[in-house]
Amino acid sequence: QVQLQESGPGLVKPSQTLSLTCTVSGGTINSGTYYWTWIRQPAGKGLEWIGRLYTSGSTSYNPSLKSRVTISLDTSKNQFSLKLTSVTAADTAVYYCAREPLYCSGGSCSQGAFDFWGQGTMVTVSS
Amino acid sequence: DIVMTQSPDSLAVSLGERATLNCKSSQSLLFSSNNKNYLAWYQQKPGQPPKVLISWASTRETGVPDRFSGSGSGTDFTLTISSLQAEDVAVYYCQQYFSTPYTFGQGTSLEIK
Repeated sequence: QVQLQESGPGLVKPSQTLSLTCTVSGGTINSGTYYWTWIRQPAGKGLEWIGRLYTSGSTSYNPSLKSRVTISLDTSKNQFSLKLTSVTAADTAVYYCAREPLYCSGGSCSQGAFDFWGQGTMVTVSS
Repeated sequence: DIVMTQSPDSLAVSLGERATLNCKSSQSLLFSSNNKNYLAWYQQKPGQPPKVLISWASTRETGVPDRFSGSGSGTDFTLTISSLQAEDVAVYYCQQYFSTPYTFGQGTSLEIK
């Protein structure tokens, strides 16, 4: 059974960089059949897709955050990471990592729904 | 971006009764080449991450009770809980994975009447 676990500082100062890591266990992050994704949820609010990474290194980011976001992969540790620069109070949220399956057949591929999620980690931006 | 709008925002249903949750997208989620709707439903309980219940608008995930069903196509979708159980109290989100940036509805909070 695949498990994802977020880790990182729970408190970040305004204007600094938020850095989180997602450790994947029970499967290899380099299998080539998944996108690895970050999603966030402010307290009491809805879900916002931040971006995703494929094992080739290709990325896709939410345009609302694109100038501040980097998602990267560390296959040696079976981890992927999120960096969000110049944070403000509006970035305070629970941050989730998740897995998005990729279904390939006959030379074409199609993405799927998020099938496994981490438990989430609360990040507060405050001085 | 594709805008996802859920209705109602909150819903109170008696135990054993049917619950109907709606989701509308600002553009069609039906991909013509494979005739699939790129729409998922998630259940989120307090302090937990979302859990996928339904993908492709109507495919129940493994282990999800058969009282949960999804329907709809194009821009209009429905999640139905045929006989509400106490453990179904949660917030339910629809999500489109047709195109990035993926987007979620604002959620429907389901409670017991």
